[in-house]
Amino acid sequence: QKEVEQNSGPLSVPEGAIASLNCTYSDRGSQSFFWYRQYSGKSPELIMSIYSNGDKEDGRFTAQLNKASQYVSLLIRDSQPSDSATYLCAVNSPTSYDKVIFGPGTSLSVIP
Amino acid sequence: DGGITQSPKYLFRKEGQNVTLSCEQNLNHDAMYWYRQDPGQGLRLIYYSQIVNDFQKGDIAEGYSVSREKKESFPLTVTSAQKNPTAFYLCASSSFRGRSNYGYTFGSGTRLTVV
Repeated sequence: QKEVEQNSGPLSVPEGAIASLNCTYSDRGSQSFFWYRQYSGKSPELIMSIYSNGDKEDGRFTAQLNKASQYVSLLIRDSQPSDSATYLCAVNSPTSYDKVIFGPGTSLSVIP
Repeated sequence: DGGITQSPKYLFRKEGQNVTLSCEQNLNHDAMYWYRQDPGQGLRLIYYSQIVNDFQKGDIAEGYSVSREKKESFPLTVTSAQKNPTAFYLCASSSFRGRSNYGYTFGSGTRLTVV
C-alpha cells in the first residue's frame, strides 16, 4: 500500500462549482498534513496546512482532516480557471518528523 | 524577502559529465531537501539534510551527491553514474518543532536535460 494516495484525475469541474480533492494516508502516527498546488512547469506552492481533526478554512479553500479514517480532503469553492493545476497531498513522516511524504497529485481542470 | 533560490533555471549536461545544481535559502530553516520530478510523475526524494554537515539518502540517491557546509546552502551534484538524469529538480526547506512540520518552501526548480 502506498503511503499517500490520491485520485490521479483529471478532475474536471465547471467554473463556479465546488472542486473536491481527496487523499488517504497509511500511517496513523502522522501529525501534519498539507496541500500544495503545482501549475504546469512550476514548483509546488503550499496552500493549506492542517494539524487537528475538523475543518480549516482559508478564503475559497477548506481543508478537512479525519485522523480516525486517515483521510484528508481539500474543497475549493467557486472554482476559477486559475485553479486549474495539480494538487499534491502531503503528510509528515511519523518516524522522521522533518520529512514529508507526497502523494502523486490530482490534476484539476476548471472549465469556463 | 525570504525564500529559496535555485540556479541555474535550465541546465544541459553532456554524457559522462558531472553537474552541480545550486540551492540557497535565507529562511533560517534547518532542514533542506532535494526532489526529482519526471513528466507526469510525483516527487521523489533524493537527499535531505536536517543540520549542517549531516545528510541522509532519500529514495533515489544513486548517482547523486550533496554537501551541507552552511545552513543556507545545499548543492546537489548529478554524477555520470546517474544514467537518466533528465528531469525537473526541486530544492525545498522547512522548519519543524517537535512532531509538527510547518511545510516545505520550494525553490523555482532546475530543469536538467542530457544532450
